[in-house]
Amino acid sequence: GQNIDQPTEMTATEGAIVQINCTYQTSGFNGLFWYQQHAGEAPTFLSYNVLDGLEEKGRFSSFLSRSKGYSYLLLKELQMKDSASYLCAAIKAAGNKLTFGGGTRVLVKP
Amino acid sequence: DAGITQSPRHKVTETGTPVTLRCHQTENHRYMYWYRQDPGHGLRLIHYSYGVKDTDKGEVSDGYSVSRSKTEDFLLTLESATSSQTSVYFCAVQGEEETQYFGPGTRLLVL
Repeated sequence: GQNIDQPTEMTATEGAIVQINCTYQTSGFNGLFWYQQHAGEAPTFLSYNVLDGLEEKGRFSSFLSRSKGYSYLLLKELQMKDSASYLCAAIKAAGNKLTFGGGTRVLVKP
Repeated sequence: DAGITQSPRHKVTETGTPVTLRCHQTENHRYMYWYRQDPGHGLRLIHYSYGVKDTDKGEVSDGYSVSRSKTEDFLLTLESATSSQTSVYFCAVQGEEETQYFGPGTRLLVL
């Protein structure tokens, strides 16, 4: 079976840093995706971690620890436009199917 | 946007009516997916396709069927719509490095 957990909601201040955690229990785990979804829109791809460690893409970084079943998405220098839901999703080695967590809604305040 | 369109974008229908949603892609992707998204449940996989005429069930497939007669089109049919199928439906394709890219979504209201 698969179980993916992430906080429901987080609030942060413009210019600050926020870390969104995701824990997973996935048999045959192969990698971890992060997507951003603004209200009323489709999810858009942010990052994909297969190996342990930190991957940085501009203001966004994603970390994976396979041994701990843990990932986080780090958003730096928060902007108002970063207010959105952030979805964590795990992919198995076989099957090409994603299993999503419930999403974390991030509210950025001035 | 991976060249994905969905139609219709909004639909209101009555309980018991059959409904077909269309996903169209222009980039020849092999894998296509249908998800539904509901508050408190996140995105859940309904059905997916790994080629023309090749489809398989996802985690919430009851009450839904799919067809893929051409690479570019993946159809989702609600055989007899129920109020529990009121949702936002997203189509996705798999691009490079197993990454899925999503269409704009269809909002379905079943009265």
